[in-house]
Amino acid sequence: EAGVAQSPRYKIIEKRQSVAFWCNPISGHATLYWYQQILGQGPKLLIQFQNNGVVDDSQLPKDRFSAERLKGVDSTLKIQPAKLEDSAVYLCASSLGGPGAYEQYFGPGTRLTVT
Amino acid sequence: SQQGEEDPQALSIQEGENATMNCSYKTSINNLQWYRQNSGRGLVHLILIRSNEREKHSGRLRVTLDTSKKSSSLLITASRAADTASYFCATDAWNYGQNFVFGPGTRLSVLP
Repeated sequence: EAGVAQSPRYKIIEKRQSVAFWCNPISGHATLYWYQQILGQGPKLLIQFQNNGVVDDSQLPKDRFSAERLKGVDSTLKIQPAKLEDSAVYLCASSLGGPGAYEQYFGPGTRLTVT
Repeated sequence: SQQGEEDPQALSIQEGENATMNCSYKTSINNLQWYRQNSGRGLVHLILIRSNEREKHSGRLRVTLDTSKKSSSLLITASRAADTASYFCATDAWNYGQNFVFGPGTRLSVLP
């Protein structure tokens, strides 16, 4: 079974630039999550999709972050414009169902550095 | 403070010893999960324990849940160097107005 795919693995941008991350979940998984993990901290849930609908985006900074999951499969997370404090690893995860009732499978993450 | 907080923040033990990590949380929960993260394999699910369960086992792992104390513990028996990682508890309190929340983690070092 293929795991959760993410790209790119690394990204370095300057502040005020924009960046996009892509995630392809495990086939058949209805729920998709985006997390932000700052060094030394636990992952913080940014947004959760059930199929192609948003279940929870209460911690997504909507003035600069946006996410979509077209056709209920893969997803993109965008930051525009980036700030220094956005430097983190962005993790995508998927699960059969949700919220939180099933184990989540995580991708390798995208390490973002904002200079 | 966070919904889930692990204790201790860091732990060093010798190979073969047991390691115990604790997690405390604030609201009622539907379930609690433990995850492991190391540089080699990323973030991996270990065990899910539901609010009506008190104990679960998986190989060398034992998880307990005490909802009256709002706490959980993860015991790793006969530790190995490969167990070196950060361990996170994560709470699902969807029915209680909380989204899925990870704690800050316990960094475990198993010395050969």
